[in-house]
Amino acid sequence: AQKVTQAQTEISVVEKEDVTLDCVYETRDTTYYLFWYKQPPSGELVFLIRRNSFDEQNEISGRYSWNFQKSTSSFNFTITASQVVDSAVYFCALSERVEFNQAGTALIFGKGTTLSVSS
Amino acid sequence: KAGVTQTPRYLIKTRGQQVTLSCSPISGHRSVSWYQQTPGQGLQFLFEYFSETQRNKGNFPGRFSGRQFSNSRSEMNVSTLELGDSALYLCASSYNTGELFFGEGSRLTVL
Repeated sequence: AQKVTQAQTEISVVEKEDVTLDCVYETRDTTYYLFWYKQPPSGELVFLIRRNSFDEQNEISGRYSWNFQKSTSSFNFTITASQVVDSAVYFCALSERVEFNQAGTALIFGKGTTLSVSS
Repeated sequence: KAGVTQTPRYLIKTRGQQVTLSCSPISGHRSVSWYQQTPGQGLQFLFEYFSETQRNKGNFPGRFSGRQFSNSRSEMNVSTLELGDSALYLCASSYNTGELFFGEGSRLTVL
């Protein structure tokens, strides 16, 4: 069965600190996709990144970086120099491959990590 | 480009009633997925519609149903409401199934 575990329920940091959100997944599929979404208080989930199982290259986008390691089934997310605006709930998610090598929309989400950044 | 629009944003119902939620996807997106978010169970996939056909379904009872219209707008219906149906219902649209764009959700309270 597919499963996503975000062991950190809540994290509190002070502005400018670096913070890493952990994500561990389980799947029997050889092809799958991993995602990170951010949910601010307004409710909508905001897409941050998608990674397929064949691409283990780390990615950096501004202050955000992601570390994908198939050997440990982990897809961790690091925010460098955190800011108050980063305060939100962050979700890691997993989906299977569907036709045309696309990710399915039936995502399996972790329980989320609530990040609080204080000034 | 307008985002995903969900209506109503908040509603209160009583047990046994039914409810219909609406979702207008981003223009050009043909896939609409629905998710339920509760404090206990987290985010769970309900179903996905693509070109007016249900393409995938999660593990929810038959009281939960949906449909999609020719303009890609989607509705979901929950009949015979139970207290446990209180949740934030999120709709997401997608163009190529890889990246979901979510609405702000409809928060349902069942009394």
